[in-house]
Amino acid sequence: DVKVTQSSRYLVKRTGEKVFLECVQDMDHENMFWYRQDPGLGLRLIYFSYDVKMKEKGDIPEGYSVSREKKERFSLILESASTNQTSMYLCASSAARNQPQHFGDGTRLSIL
Amino acid sequence: AQSVTQPDIHITVSEGASLELRCNYSYGATPYLFWYVQSPGQGLQLLLKYFSGDTLVQGIKGFEAEFKRSQSSFNLRKPSVHWSDAAEYFCAVVFNTNAGKSTFGDGTTLTVKP
Repeated sequence: DVKVTQSSRYLVKRTGEKVFLECVQDMDHENMFWYRQDPGLGLRLIYFSYDVKMKEKGDIPEGYSVSREKKERFSLILESASTNQTSMYLCASSAARNQPQHFGDGTRLSIL
Repeated sequence: AQSVTQPDIHITVSEGASLELRCNYSYGATPYLFWYVQSPGQGLQLLLKYFSGDTLVQGIKGFEAEFKRSQSSFNLRKPSVHWSDAAEYFCAVVFNTNAGKSTFGDGTTLTVKP
């Protein structure tokens, strides 16, 4: 069965820290995505990647960066965490650009 | 601008009653359409999808959705709701397959009364 694994379910960090959120998929999917989910705002796309070492900005990339060194792994980086980045972060992958996305269970990140 | 609207933020139905969740999109052509469900504390799970062909599509857990081109809608339905259906439901649309990004609606939270 399809599996997208996010390294942490819950994470607490301090403002100014550099934070890494890891996501691994075992389906050999080309496409990977990072979203944040906030009450009343739905899912907002941060970054996505269509291939190894490729990345594209989503709707809210400010304050974030990503890394995709291997096909199965897509990392989200908060360069200097701020309290307004407290959120639920969801990683997803898909086989092709018009195919359904498969989601991890999310990382609930708190920045204190 | 391309957009996805789920007009109902919250819906409450009684167990055993029928359900319809609305989804409308703004786009000139037929997009790729999806419904996902999110249970508390979990990621999103695909319920069903529409690419082309028969406008009534069947999904998992007894859900179905109907694409209506004239109304730019893709409403989700279930004839008889179970308590385990309580969750948040998201409609998602891929407007341009070259871009491949999904645009999600803001979600509808379903509460099921015993």
